[in-house]
Amino acid sequence: AQSVTQLDSHVSVSEGTPVLLRCNYSSSYSPSLFWYVQHPNKGLQLLLKYTSAATLVKGINGFEAEFKKSETSFHLTKPSAHMSDAAEYFCVVSPGGGADGLTFGKGTHLIIQP
Amino acid sequence: KAGVTQTPRYLIKTRGQQVTLSCSPISGHRSVSWYQQTPGQGLQFLFEYFSETQRNKGNFPGRFSGRQFSNSRSEMNVSTLELGDSALYLCASSPRGLSTEAFFGQGTRLTVV
Repeated sequence: AQSVTQLDSHVSVSEGTPVLLRCNYSSSYSPSLFWYVQHPNKGLQLLLKYTSAATLVKGINGFEAEFKKSETSFHLTKPSAHMSDAAEYFCVVSPGGGADGLTFGKGTHLIIQP
Repeated sequence: KAGVTQTPRYLIKTRGQQVTLSCSPISGHRSVSWYQQTPGQGLQFLFEYFSETQRNKGNFPGRFSGRQFSNSRSEMNVSTLELGDSALYLCASSPRGLSTEAFFGQGTRLTVV
């Protein structure tokens, strides 16, 4: 079985300051991990993915995430927030053993203050 | 390359009716998966189809079913609709399966009244 916990339901930062969205996971297998973003009334867009290669993963729009196996974490960061980053962010774990589907965290709503 | 297309975008149905949603994946993608998104439960996995076979299934009642055609297009059916089935239904396609990235459509917003 696998699970994902996003530690903050809402995060508010000022434009130009760093962003940190926290995610912890559990999985019986070596997981693939993803971050997706969902803007209002839109589908989900892939930001980045970890699939057992480099532990520091770079994604689109300046986002990156670090896979830490010892802490079972996959936190998403961005050095400088932009107003367009305001959206819902989902941490997702994919099965390594072929069973179950994608498991989503509850989401973190990112608010950018001007 | 065209993205994932879901039709219709919006639906209103009455309790007890059934509904069919359609998903056309990205050309060449063989895996199609379906998800239900509600404010209370978040995003939940319904099922995955790969080359016309259901490969994985989430924890939903048998009223929820699906199928995949030889051209990889997929349909999802919900029978005997309940008010709690009101949700955004998202479809995603992947080249090889759920361990690779999934590309999502914009969803079908189903309202049951």
